[in-house]
Amino acid sequence: AQTVTQSQPEMSVQEAETVTLSCTYDTSESDYYLFWYKQPPSRQMILVIRQEAYKQQNATENRFSVNFQKAAKSFSLKISDSQLGDAAMYFCAKLEGTDKLIFGTGTRLQVFP
Amino acid sequence: NAGVTQTPKFQVLKTGQSMTLQCAQDMNHEYMSWYRQDPGMGLRLIHYSVGAGITDQGEVPNGYNVSRSTTEDFPLRLLSAAPSQTSVYFCASSPVGPSYEQYFGPGTRLTVT
Repeated sequence: AQTVTQSQPEMSVQEAETVTLSCTYDTSESDYYLFWYKQPPSRQMILVIRQEAYKQQNATENRFSVNFQKAAKSFSLKISDSQLGDAAMYFCAKLEGTDKLIFGTGTRLQVFP
Repeated sequence: NAGVTQTPKFQVLKTGQSMTLQCAQDMNHEYMSWYRQDPGMGLRLIHYSVGAGITDQGEVPNGYNVSRSTTEDFPLRLLSAAPSQTSVYFCASSPVGPSYEQYFGPGTRLTVT
């Protein structure tokens, strides 16, 4: 079975600073999708950013960007200019085929003023 | 659009009771899925459906049944609740392409005593 690993259970960052959350995965597929989801205390799952494996360019959404290393099977999330509202659980996920998401165990991000 | 809706938001059951968690989406998505979220384990796939009349098992299907009679609805049935089914349950839907992004409902917190 494919796996997604998030090795940092908790991270913290000072407001306005930059933080990077790590994610590695296992797959035998050549083309696939990767996602980062944010889960604030409201528990709603919110899509932060997506990456398609065949695209060389790293995805960027405003203050959020990824460092996608296909050969290393690594997909880290960088949050720039961190804000208090970024505090949440962050889940890395890989789409298996076209219909099944495999999630990592999550990283809890704390943001300090 | 209401997106993905789930009812109820909270539920307490006694061991052995049965109940159905409701999920509906108004985005005409073909794919729908049920996940459970437990502390330290991320989200795990219970059952999924790639269209009306088609369902399949995910990673943790035991103790749960699903059916998909319409595109909009995908109920999850607990036949005989057990304390191990205490969890937060999420329903999600996704379109067929381009990135198969999954849209999540607000979740149901279920406690089995």
